[in-house]
Amino acid sequence: LAKTTQPISMDSYEGQEVNITCSHNNIATNDYITWYQQFPSQGPRFIIQGYKTKVTNEVASLFIPADRKSSTLSLPRVSLSDTAVYYCLVGFRILTGGGNKLTFGTGTQLKVEL
Amino acid sequence: NAGVTQTPKFRILKIGQSMTLQCTQDMNHNYMYWYRQDPGMGLKLIYYSVGAGITDKGEVPNGYNVSRSTTEDFPLRLELAAPSQTSVYFCASSYSGDPSVGYTGELFFGEGSRLTVL
Repeated sequence: LAKTTQPISMDSYEGQEVNITCSHNNIATNDYITWYQQFPSQGPRFIIQGYKTKVTNEVASLFIPADRKSSTLSLPRVSLSDTAVYYCLVGFRILTGGGNKLTFGTGTQLKVEL
Repeated sequence: NAGVTQTPKFRILKIGQSMTLQCTQDMNHNYMYWYRQDPGMGLKLIYYSVGAGITDKGEVPNGYNVSRSTTEDFPLRLELAAPSQTSVYFCASSYSGDPSVGYTGELFFGEGSRLTVL
């Protein structure tokens, strides 16, 4: 399984754009990159997933360079409610049989202030 | 839909006791997982299942057992509880489909079960 490296923590202010980069140097050809958000005392929640280039949804964008050895989660105009831990996961999805050993690292603690 | 439901939400055990954490999902997901999360740490995979009757070990399976007799249920059994098993336990489920048609394998988590072993 590809190992991921993220910053332990980041600080920001309301209204700013936040970019969290994840390094995954040994990503495999069939690996997807997925980001989750976790608030205290809750289970993680899916944010976004991508394979290459750029993916955007209603809450975030995910930028993946051509070599796919890193990815950047971009949160536009953060608010206090975006204070959470953000996890980058790299793993393939087995369509039939096999398993899905998605592992979480320690994540990035994002703190948003006024 | 209820999603993923875990019980109990809180439990205190004495060293050496046993218990079962219950997990059920109503989304007809084929994959189910148990994670544990220690304070300030990420989630560690204990066991997972790709379908009824099929389970496999994750990163930290020692001291735990699982079974998957139905698609909906995936209980986690703790035998001979130890203080090192004090943690928050999360059950999750996902559907494994073809990514080319939009399936992401998104994990849906329960609210967690906070276990303390004294």
